[in-house]
Amino acid sequence: EAAVTQSPRNKVAVTGGKVTLSCNQTNNHNNMYWYRQDTGHGLRLIHYSYGAGSTEKGDIPDGYKASRPSQENFSLILELATPSQTSVYFCASGDPGGSDYTFGSGTRLLVI
Amino acid sequence: TQTVSQSDAHVTVFEGDSVELRCNYSYGGSIYLSWYIQHHGRGLQFLLKYYSGNPVVQGVNGFEAEFSKSDSSFHLRKASVHWSDSAVYFCAVSAPGGYKVVFGSGTRLLVSP
Repeated sequence: EAAVTQSPRNKVAVTGGKVTLSCNQTNNHNNMYWYRQDTGHGLRLIHYSYGAGSTEKGDIPDGYKASRPSQENFSLILELATPSQTSVYFCASGDPGGSDYTFGSGTRLLVI
Repeated sequence: TQTVSQSDAHVTVFEGDSVELRCNYSYGGSIYLSWYIQHHGRGLQFLLKYYSGNPVVQGVNGFEAEFSKSDSSFHLRKASVHWSDSAVYFCAVSAPGGYKVVFGSGTRLLVSP
C-alpha cells in the first residue's frame, strides 16, 4: 500500500542543536512537501520539492533547509534548532497540480 | 492567490444527527477543492475533491460535498454522524498545475453519544 512514512515520531532537541526529520514515500509522486502545524496557525508550508534534487521555499522557510536526494526521500533540516520550532511536522506527497495529498503521521518536535 | 475560509472553529452534534461543515474560497480561475480529515494524533487523510462536473461529490464513509460557484463555497455534509467522525476537518484549494495546496484553519467536529 502506498504510504508516507516519517521518522522519528517524537524528538526532543536542545536549543542550538541540529535536527533532521526524515520522510519516505512509496507513492511515486513527484512532489513532496513539509508542513508544520501549530494551534492557531493551521498548516503552514515550509519547503517543497518537484523531484529528486529540487527543493523550493514555501511560505515559512526561515530556519529550515530541505534535501531531496531521491524520488522517495525528503528531509527537513534544522541547523540551529530554536524553541519557536517546537511543533508538529507533517510530510506529504502528491502529483503536480493535484489536490489529493498523502500525509505522513507527523513528527512531534520539542526544542528545549 | 487562493484563500480558503472555514468560519466554524468548533461544531458539536449528537450521534445520528446530520452535519454541515462550511468552507468558502476565493480564487479567480479554475481550482481543485478538497476536504481532509485529521483524527487526533494522526496525519491528514484525503476525503474527497471537486474540479468540474457534478457539483455534488461523494467521499468515503458517507461524506459528500457540494460546490457552489455563486456562493464560492464547498460545504461538507453527512446525513448521520457516528462518534468516530469526531475529528478536525480541513478544506483545501489548489490551482491545476500549481505547486501547493492551501488549507483552511480547520473545523473541529465533536460527535456526542
